[in-house]
Amino acid sequence: RKEVEQDPGPFNVPEGATVAFNCTYSNSASQSFFWYRQDCRKEPKLLMSVYSSGNEDGRFTAQLNRASQYISLLIRDSKLSDSATYLCVVNMGTSGTYKYIFGTGTRLKVLA
Amino acid sequence: DGGITQSPKYLFRKEGQNVTLSCEQNLNHDAMYWYRQDPGQGLRLIYYSQIVNDFQKGDIAEGYSVSREKKESFPLTVTSAQKNPTAFYLCASTLGGRGRGDTQYFGPGTRLTVL
Repeated sequence: RKEVEQDPGPFNVPEGATVAFNCTYSNSASQSFFWYRQDCRKEPKLLMSVYSSGNEDGRFTAQLNRASQYISLLIRDSKLSDSATYLCVVNMGTSGTYKYIFGTGTRLKVLA
Repeated sequence: DGGITQSPKYLFRKEGQNVTLSCEQNLNHDAMYWYRQDPGQGLRLIYYSQIVNDFQKGDIAEGYSVSREKKESFPLTVTSAQKNPTAFYLCASTLGGRGRGDTQYFGPGTRLTVL
């Protein structure tokens, strides 16, 4: 089993739709979680970080389920500009150390 | 503006040559990282440094070397020993310390092609 797993997609959704991605992780002691957006041939850009149960920023909501070891990203009212790959990253380090494990990403295409 | 810069954006190298990729940050971050990304794969850690004059191997360090002589700078050398160096190289940094200092910020990347 991979340490961090994401459905690669692509998820093709119409503009205005709500779409959700899941990311599962193997280490139950993981402390922090991140969603990044990566456009084609560009660097990952931080979308949001999650340290407790979840986080919300405008149309984007991340929720953490520690019991089932997954973190989700919900995008409401999808825009064409949301088309990108979304990377899930888990910090599996302990005692203040960092060990980042990256998922392979989920591709989203928002269609007009 | 604070941020991370990487240069060059594109780099072409002949087989057998060493090349050095630059990474500079003015965020006053303690920790810096080098990753490579191949198509369809997640980022893989090459080297990281938590403080000046100290660095550790990541998962795929063979064929690479780094230095951390200044807090702001973490250059990566891709040596001729690296068997498949063509990839997208990303540098990142974190503030460090406990609590919420573990958010990584990435530079724009260097795309290396071996001819």
